Amino acid sequence: RKEVEQDPGPFNVPEGATVAFNCTYSNSASQSFFWYRQDCRKEPKLLMSVYSSGNEDGRFTAQLNRASQYISLLIRDSKLSDSATYLCVVNRRGGTSYGKLTFGQGTILTVHP
Amino acid sequence: SAVISQKPSRDICQRGTSLTIQCQVDSQVTMMFWYRQQPGQSLTLIATANQGSEATYESGFVIDKFPISRPNLTFSTLTVSNMSPEDSSIYLCSVQRTANEQFFGPGTRLTVL
Repeated sequence: RKEVEQDPGPFNVPEGATVAFNCTYSNSASQSFFWYRQDCRKEPKLLMSVYSSGNEDGRFTAQLNRASQYISLLIRDSKLSDSATYLCVVNRRGGTSYGKLTFGQGTILTVHP
Repeated sequence: SAVISQKPSRDICQRGTSLTIQCQVDSQVTMMFWYRQQPGQSLTLIATANQGSEATYESGFVIDKFPISRPNLTFSTLTVSNMSPEDSSIYLCSVQRTANEQFFGPGTRLTVL
């Protein structure tokens, strides 16, 4: 089983739609969680951290369920510029694992007019 | 965030040769990492670049193949040795800043013929 699993998609949605991505992780010792965005032929860029209480940044809402080891990202009112690959990322902490990121395989989103 | 540069941005190399990739950060950072992104895949951690000591390699990666230097807190190099076509990938360095957030360099796109 992969340490971080995502639905690879692709998701094709019209502008203005709401889309949700899901992610599960297998290592219960994981401490920090993130969503990164990667545009074609570019490096991943941090979209947002994910906190246990859930957090929102404009049109983006992230949720974490530690009991189920489940992370989600909701994008409201999709824009054409949201088209990218969204990476679910988990950071193991403690001991020799400090700072090591494990990436999901990414979910491809295409927003069309 | 941090300003991270990598050199070269891309290269095409012959089988059996070696390539050294440089990563420069605009400020001192404690944690630096090297990742690989193979075609159509997500990122995989190669190693943690430790300043003043040997790098810490992940399972499946060895120092003879991927020697790493970290002479100071703003600079690191990764060498891909004795290259084969399977080494064709994007190689990215990253740095960890506050709140466990990591930021990535623009990547080095390597093609091995």
